[in-house]
Amino acid sequence: TQLLEQSPQFLSIQEGENLTVYCNSSSVFSSLQWYRQEPGEGPVLLVTVVTGGEVKKLKRLTFQFGDARKDSSLHITAAQPGDTGLYLCATLFSSGSARQLTFGSGTQLTVLP
Amino acid sequence: EADIYQTPRYLVIGTGKKITLECSQTMGHDKMYWYQQDPGMELHLIHYSYGVNSTEKGDLSSESTVSRIRTEHFPLTLESARPSHTSQYLCASSDLLDQGNTEAFFGQGTRLTVV
Repeated sequence: TQLLEQSPQFLSIQEGENLTVYCNSSSVFSSLQWYRQEPGEGPVLLVTVVTGGEVKKLKRLTFQFGDARKDSSLHITAAQPGDTGLYLCATLFSSGSARQLTFGSGTQLTVLP
Repeated sequence: EADIYQTPRYLVIGTGKKITLECSQTMGHDKMYWYQQDPGMELHLIHYSYGVNSTEKGDLSSESTVSRIRTEHFPLTLESARPSHTSQYLCASSDLLDQGNTEAFFGQGTRLTVV
C-alpha cells in the first residue's frame, strides 16, 4: 500500500493553462515536502509545509497543506514548458525505530509550447 | 547547488559483472540514502545510513549492498549484475530528520543498463 498517493499520474497541458496536482494519504503527517525532478537530474526540494491549512507561494506555484494534515496540493498558474518534470511529494515516515523520507508515486507533468 | 556527486552518470555492463556505484557528499551530512527509480516513476528506498558503520535496508528489496566507512562516501555494489537491475540509481543525503527541516539533496543519478 502506497503511503502517499499522487494524482494524476500523468498530465499534459498547453502553455498558459492552470493545473493542480494532489498528494493524499490516510495518515496524518507532521510535515510534507514537494520536490521537482527534471529529466536526467535528481529531485530538488521546492517547499516544506508543516502547519495544517498552510499555504505557501513560490512564484507561480501555490502549495497547500490540508487542515487535517493528510493531504496537500500544488497549483501552477500559467504553466510554462520549464515547469515540465516529475513532481513528488514526500514525508518523514517512521519504520520501526528509524525515520525515513518516503516519496509519493509522482505526477509527470508535460507543458507543451 | 547541492554538493553531492555520483559516478558514473551512465553505465552499460554485461550480465554477471560486479559493479560499484559511487556517491560522495561534501556537506558533512550524517544521513545518506540510495533510491532506485524507473524513468518517470516513483523513488524506492533501497538502502540508507545514519552515520559511519551504520547501514540499513530500505523498503524495496535489493540484491545490492552498501558500506559507510567514511561520512562523505556511500558506495553501492552489485556483485553480479542482471538485466533486472537496469534502472536509475539516485543517491541523496540530508542533515536533520526533523519536522520542517528535512531537505534531501540528490545527486544526478547513475543510469545503469545491464545487457
